[in-house]
Amino acid sequence: RKEVEQDPGPFNVPEGATVAFNCTYSNSASQSFFWYRQDCRKEPKLLMSVYSSGNEDGRFTAQLNRASQYISLLIRDSKLSDSATYLCVGRRRGADGLTFGKGTHLIIQP
Amino acid sequence: ETGVTQTPRHLVMGMTNKKSLKCEQHLGHNAMYWYKQSAKKPLELMFVYNFKEQTENNSVPSRFSPECPNSSHLFLHLHTLQPEDSALYLCASSRSFTGAEQYFGPGTRLTVT
Repeated sequence: RKEVEQDPGPFNVPEGATVAFNCTYSNSASQSFFWYRQDCRKEPKLLMSVYSSGNEDGRFTAQLNRASQYISLLIRDSKLSDSATYLCVGRRRGADGLTFGKGTHLIIQP
Repeated sequence: ETGVTQTPRHLVMGMTNKKSLKCEQHLGHNAMYWYKQSAKKPLELMFVYNFKEQTENNSVPSRFSPECPNSSHLFLHLHTLQPEDSALYLCASSRSFTGAEQYFGPGTRLTVT
């Protein structure tokens, strides 16, 4: 089983809608989680960290459920500029690098 | 945005060639990374350097040879590559090796013919 799994999509969503996607992880030793965003032909950039208590940044809400080993990202009032690939990322305790999921491709349609 | 730069941006090389990829970070970070991104696959961590010392080699074939002369520069030396090595090679840096946020360079698009 892959360490971090995501539905690749694409998710086609009308502008203004709310969209949510999940990510599951298999390694219980994973300590920290993040959502990165990658635009077409660009490098990944950190969108937000994910905390067990849940955290919100503007229209974006991230949640971590350690018992079920999944992470979620909710985007409210979606904008055309939200179209991108969203990468679920974990870091194992004691490990230096990050473990990336394949990404979920989101397309916001006008 | 010039926090992490990579050169060249595109590279085409034959299987018998030797080439090097260069990464430079201007952020004062102490950890640097090489990742490989292939189509339909997740980013794969290749190498990690912390304060110029290699701390992780993720079972990468010896035809890829990293070099980190100082905390700001990272190289990836390539020799006798295979066509399946064609991919986007991304360099990243973070304040420390436990840093949550990694800043990525734009990548080098490598094609092996």
